[in-house]
Amino acid sequence: DAMVIQNPRYQVTQFGKPVTLSCSQTLNHNVMYWYQQKSSQAPKLLFHYYDKDFNNEADTPDNFQSRRPNTSFCFLDIRSPGLGDAAMYLCATSRRPGEREGRDTQYFGPGTRLTVL
Amino acid sequence: DQQVKQNSPSLSVQEGRISILNCDYTNSMFDYFLWYKKYPAEGPTFLISISSIKDKNEDGRFTVFLNKSAKHLSLHIVPSQPGDSAVYFCAATFDYKLSFGAGTTVTVRA
Repeated sequence: DAMVIQNPRYQVTQFGKPVTLSCSQTLNHNVMYWYQQKSSQAPKLLFHYYDKDFNNEADTPDNFQSRRPNTSFCFLDIRSPGLGDAAMYLCATSRRPGEREGRDTQYFGPGTRLTVL
Repeated sequence: DQQVKQNSPSLSVQEGRISILNCDYTNSMFDYFLWYKKYPAEGPTFLISISSIKDKNEDGRFTVFLNKSAKHLSLHIVPSQPGDSAVYFCAATFDYKLSFGAGTTVTVRA
């Protein structure tokens, strides 16, 4: 089945120790997104890639970076995790805008739960 | 600034009855609206959507209603089943970026 995969599902890191979260997709979608979700809050968009074009949200801290080496993979790098970065991180994909079917529907992976000690 | 709001954090409904979830938005540029369902420890799953040119969309037990003048949409689930117990997120978009509400936790009682 076509899907969005995130690894690992659970990640524990130490305060200040860099961590990388991984996302891959078999949907061949053009757009990939990273969200941060804290308990009882709405998912918050961090950034997205439209093909190879990187689009950062204005309020995303510099501590968060992303890489998309090819269509299928996208990484979230947290350079120096703080206690406030503990959250669920969600990856999502969508088709290129303008395509007729479900153009804005985003498909999510299962998420990575990040714990910062 | 929260552009999509779900004012009811929780909803409890008896099995077989109707569940009605509400959502309000402030940005008149939104042109596509979606509902997602989320189980614990899983990512949100797309449930149903509606374009701003429509006022109703139905898919099986799920119906979404859009009232553009009131900037309000709702999700009806009829009949509610135990497997519907989850968190439901309302989302809205233009320019392919989603804005989410904070979610409503639905509990279906047997």
